[in-house]
Amino acid sequence: GQQLNQSPQSMFIQEGEDVSMNCTSSSIFNTWLWYKQEPGEGPVLLIALYKAGELTSNGRLTAQFGITRKDSFLNISASIPSDVGIYFCAGSLLKKTSGSRLTFGEGTQLTVNP
Amino acid sequence: EAGVVQSPRYKIIEKKQPVAFWCNPISGHNTLYWYRQNLGQGPELLIRYENEEAVDDSQLPKDRFSAERLKGVDSTLKIQPAELGDSAVYLCASSLSQVTQYFGPGTRLLVL
Repeated sequence: GQQLNQSPQSMFIQEGEDVSMNCTSSSIFNTWLWYKQEPGEGPVLLIALYKAGELTSNGRLTAQFGITRKDSFLNISASIPSDVGIYFCAGSLLKKTSGSRLTFGEGTQLTVNP
Repeated sequence: EAGVVQSPRYKIIEKKQPVAFWCNPISGHNTLYWYRQNLGQGPELLIRYENEEAVDDSQLPKDRFSAERLKGVDSTLKIQPAELGDSAVYLCASSLSQVTQYFGPGTRLLVL
């Protein structure tokens, strides 16, 4: 089946630094999603990407859908303490018969030191 | 607009006991998903409903897991009997577009 490799597994940064994380897949997707999960909560959608090459921003977050459709990256600029959490990438290959199944990466744990 | 609602938030049971989780999706969302999230991993799909029909249950361990969504709105996921390895977070999600999924807070299950 499809597998997502997400890296890095964890990051420890100082407040104000920029952050970059990425996901690569063994097969193509036609949608990439980025989620953030905080302790005791479910994943919250940050950015959705629907087209190869697409670059989308949401405040200090920027994500890109790789041109090969097998990768995506997420950047966070000028990190703040509330950025702490686990960031998950998820890919989907919408199929007409079976619908959409999201495949998730294993997450990047982000720690921001004030 | 209310988000996805799940209950209970936490559950501790002994092995071999039954357990049930409840989910109410975002109003108007016809697609509902149940995921299991093990510690340190991303969520993995157990079952997907389109209205009241289970259209993808290939990853649901059917010997002990069951789910229903009788009226195409809220849903129940049941485990009977529970095993130690079932300890995990059970997440419910819903969507309108089949792609952008919105998650509830999850039920944290601990099997002793």
